[in-house]
Parts: sequence; structure tokens; C-alpha cells
Amino acid sequence: DIQMTQSPSSLSASVGDRVTITCRASQNIRNYLNWYQQKLGRAPKLLIYAASTLQSGVPSRFSGSGSGTDFTLTISSLQPEDFATYFCQQSYNTPKTFGQGTKVEIK
Amino acid sequence: QVQLQESGPGLVKSSETLSLTCSVSGGSFSGYFWTWIRQSPGKGLEWIGYIYYSGSTNYNPSLNSRVTMSIDTSKNQFSLRLTSVTAADTAVYFCARGVHGGNPERFDSWGQGSLVTVSS
Repeated sequence: DIQMTQSPSSLSASVGDRVTITCRASQNIRNYLNWYQQKLGRAPKLLIYAASTLQSGVPSRFSGSGSGTDFTLTISSLQPEDFATYFCQQSYNTPKTFGQGTKVEIK
Repeated sequence: QVQLQESGPGLVKSSETLSLTCSVSGGSFSGYFWTWIRQSPGKGLEWIGYIYYSGSTNYNPSLNSRVTMSIDTSKNQFSLRLTSVTAADTAVYFCARGVHGGNPERFDSWGQGSLVTVSS
């Protein structure tokens, strides 16, 4: 199985901050990388697919980059509604696997 | 806008079979792969598998011997059966829509989730 490792596991930030979350795959997954946002008690929501393509309806302050094994999710200016847990997920092969999550908390 | 809704028992006895159904409304049922994912505190998000509109399946090898998925295109529903459950199968079970469309697969719509507890 491809292991997905996110860092940090949690972070504290203020509204307006620039936030960066990293995801590393245990092998080359090209651009087969998706990012999801999950709020407490809710289902995950797709933010970014194919490493850098913004899902329809997602604010442009979210962006993704990377290829191969190293990927980044960036929130350019953190908003109150962005406090949540973020997951990366590889779709390169079976089984599809997720990172352990990064919890973004209010500073 | 497509909506997905899980239904099924919230409590299952150990060694018995977990059964869930996902009802899909508000969108096309064809052309997608219909997915089950679960989430538990201990294992995080775990992909269980998916079933195509055609009925072909792709399961997580770690669960392959215990999982069966089926689809009813006349009702826009798909289902999950997981046999011989243990406490480790206690989780929130999500159904989701998988899409490819020339790009890497992703899960673009999810149900709200259904908590299933395995009791001894």
C-alpha cells in the first residue's frame, strides 16, 4: 500500500494567515493526489484534485501543488470557515489511501 | 446537485454481517464509480472499495474476503455487505461518488455518514 504522510498533524493559525500543509507519498504517484476538508461531524469535501485543480465552487484562496512524492496544500488567507481537518488522498493505485489528517485550529 | 444518503442498522453484533445502502438522488447514476469509505479514530479514513455502474467492483485487498458490493440501477442505490464483523469494524461509513473524467479519480460528493457500532 502507498503510505501518505501529512505534516504537521495540527497547527494553530490566525484569520488572515497563510497556511501550508504538506503531504508525502511513499512512492511516486505522479499527480494522482486529492485534498479534502472535513469539519467536525461532517463528511469530507473535495477541495483539490489532480494535485492542483480546484474543485468547482471552492474558493480561490485554496491551492495545491506538487508531483511525484511531495505535495502542498496552501490557504493564502485563512478565513473563519477554514478551521477544519484536511486530508490528502492518493488515487494512483489500489487501495486508495488517505493521509492521517492535519487539524487547523484557531490561534 | 447530487445527494447521497446512507441507511442501515447502527448496531451490529460481533461475527454478524453489516449491511448498508446508499441512495443517490439529483444526478446521473451512470458513468461514475460508487464508493464506500469508513472512518474510525484508530484507522482514520479507509477506502473500502467501489462498484461501477456496470457492476464491476474494486475492493480494498485488506477487506476483500469479507466485502460484497451491489448496485440497483433501477432504484439509484448501491449497497455494502461486510461479513464477520469485529469491534475493529466500528466506524462511520460514508458512501461517495467517484469520478474520473480524464483526470485522476476523486470522490466529489459524499453522504453524511452512518455510524455503525459492533457490539459483543
